[in-house]
Amino acid sequence: GENVEQHPSTLSVQEGDSAVIKCTYSDSASNYFPWYKQELGKRPQLIIDIRSNVGEKKDQRIAVTLNKTAKHFSLHITETQPEDSAVYFCAATGGYQKVTFGTGTKLQVIP
Amino acid sequence: GAGVSQSPSNKVTEKGKDVELRCDPISGHTALYWYRQSLGQGLEFLIYFQGNSAPDKSGLPSDRFSAERTGGSVSTLTIQRTQQEDSAVYLCASSLGQGTYEQYFGPGTRLTVT
Repeated sequence: GENVEQHPSTLSVQEGDSAVIKCTYSDSASNYFPWYKQELGKRPQLIIDIRSNVGEKKDQRIAVTLNKTAKHFSLHITETQPEDSAVYFCAATGGYQKVTFGTGTKLQVIP
Repeated sequence: GAGVSQSPSNKVTEKGKDVELRCDPISGHTALYWYRQSLGQGLEFLIYFQGNSAPDKSGLPSDRFSAERTGGSVSTLTIQRTQQEDSAVYLCASSLGQGTYEQYFGPGTRLTVT
């Protein structure tokens, strides 16, 4: 089955700096890669996603890049703000819509 | 429209008792997932339903755990003979299916086994 690894497990950045979270996956058949943000005590919510036919996608301060050859994808947050502090999960979705999540990255943005 | 709902929001039970957790997915969503999240931990996959296909039960941690989805809509996760290590937040999510994979999560049920 699919295996998703996520790094780092914790990340602290100064407000205004960039944050990068990286994930690798094992199943070359995976074709959809979402990122979820989970604030403390709340449910995970989708913030951005990318499909396998695209190499990069941006939405304001967040972007995701995908390298299918290397089977890795990354989340980039620029100009970080305190409200970006949360746990971020990557995921890979393959055949039959089975979703496999990474272990999460706790991001702390220091004002 | 309404999002994914779960009930109860909190459940405290004694060790050895059975519990049932309910999930109402978004209407029309064909895929439904159950996850377990222990405090400060990640999302542990439990079970996945897709339409009328046989569910993927590969994440269920033991035979004390079971789930069903009736009529392709509401799902119930049952934990028999609960143990203290079952204490966690149980999250349900649904997605539209048919090539649309975005998952919408419910608020979760916080289970505490005493």
